[in-house]
Amino acid sequence: GAGVSQSPSNKVTEKGKDVELRCDPISGHTALYWYRQRLGQGLEFLIYFQGNSAPDKSGLPSDRFSAERTGESVSTLTIQRTQQEDSAVYLCASSYILGNSPLHFGNGTRLTVT
Amino acid sequence: GENVEQHPSTLSVQEGDSAVIKCTYSDSASNYFPWYKQELGKRPQLIIDIRSNVGEKKDQRIAVTLNKTAKHFSLHITETQPEDSAVYFCAATAGDNDMRFGAGTRLTVKP
Repeated sequence: GAGVSQSPSNKVTEKGKDVELRCDPISGHTALYWYRQRLGQGLEFLIYFQGNSAPDKSGLPSDRFSAERTGESVSTLTIQRTQQEDSAVYLCASSYILGNSPLHFGNGTRLTVT
Repeated sequence: GENVEQHPSTLSVQEGDSAVIKCTYSDSASNYFPWYKQELGKRPQLIIDIRSNVGEKKDQRIAVTLNKTAKHFSLHITETQPEDSAVYFCAATAGDNDMRFGAGTRLTVKP
């Protein structure tokens, strides 16, 4: 079946512009996660959703970052007024239930802020 | 929240040797411990996982051990092959919140 789909796969934007990253999880997966991975680095947790609810937003790097999920399906991660340090691969993952089941990752969105 | 530490950050072994990667976690409520392999330019993919009611799990050349008392778990790869070269991430979760990852181990298997 279809895996986790992320779009766009690549995004180049100018500093100061807003960007919106999209994640389509596997159908039926109730939990959805966003991670950031800088070049050669680990997986930095940003936010997770249980259904449409995000219980803990403390992982978001700044108030320029926001995320939402609707219909217990699609999620969008929005970065406002992008900065060069936002350049990274943004990975989305979904799992059947929160926590106690494997995460299935998308291919990520490579964001480059010039 | 959960804090996962992973060692070593880099590991180089000769083909055919074994590789061991170790992780510790902080939240005693954590009960699910997956391991992911990430090849260059690709997404992380699950290779094995273990739950807290099990002390060891094996899948062909890969095994994971869990010591709940000490709050650490390890990945063991035997008879390593060049295609095992990748970055490996451990993770832990208590099941009612997010999944946190270790910083990763870059494994290089020399032919």
